Amino acid sequence: RKEVEQDPGPFNVPEGATVAFNCTYSNSASQSFFWYRQDCRKEPKLLMSVYSSGNEDGRFTAQLNRASQYISLLIRDSKLSDSATYLCVVNKRTNAGKSTFGDGTTLTVKP
Amino acid sequence: DADVTQTPRNRITKTGKRIMLECSQTKGHDRMYWYRQDPGLGLRLIYYSFDVKDINKGEISDGYSVSRQAQAKFSLSLESAIPNQTALYFCATSDGRDTGELFFGEGSRLTVL
Repeated sequence: RKEVEQDPGPFNVPEGATVAFNCTYSNSASQSFFWYRQDCRKEPKLLMSVYSSGNEDGRFTAQLNRASQYISLLIRDSKLSDSATYLCVVNKRTNAGKSTFGDGTTLTVKP
Repeated sequence: DADVTQTPRNRITKTGKRIMLECSQTKGHDRMYWYRQDPGLGLRLIYYSFDVKDINKGEISDGYSVSRQAQAKFSLSLESAIPNQTALYFCATSDGRDTGELFFGEGSRLTVL
């Protein structure tokens, strides 16, 4: 079993739709959680950190469920520019900053 | 100019050749990383360094070596390239906090024939 697992998709949605991605992690010692965005053939960039209390940044909402060991990303009112691959990233404090990446979920938003 | 710069951006080479990928950063971060990405997969850690005197293996270090020449420079070498090392390679930096963000270079696409 992979340490960090994501539904690979692809998710194909119309503009304006709401879409949600889930990510599960296997190590209960995981301490910090992130969503990165990666455009085709480009470098990943941080989209948002995921806090225990949940957090929102405009149309994006991230939530963490430590008991079930999963994190989620909700995108409301999807835009064409949201088309990308979304990578779930988990850090374990014992690894002192080494990050484990999921394989990514691909989103295509269509007109 | 990019804060994390990788060279070369694209390279095609033959089996058995020695290849070096270079990474330099202007962010002043102590921590530097080399990752590999294969199509449809996430990033896998090859090597990482927390300061100039510190080098650590990641999950897929076999066939690779690294050199941390200075705080700002971290090079990845393939001593004898093989076709299954064809991949997209990313250098990254972080500021040392355990919850810190990773800052990536634009990637080096390597093809081994």
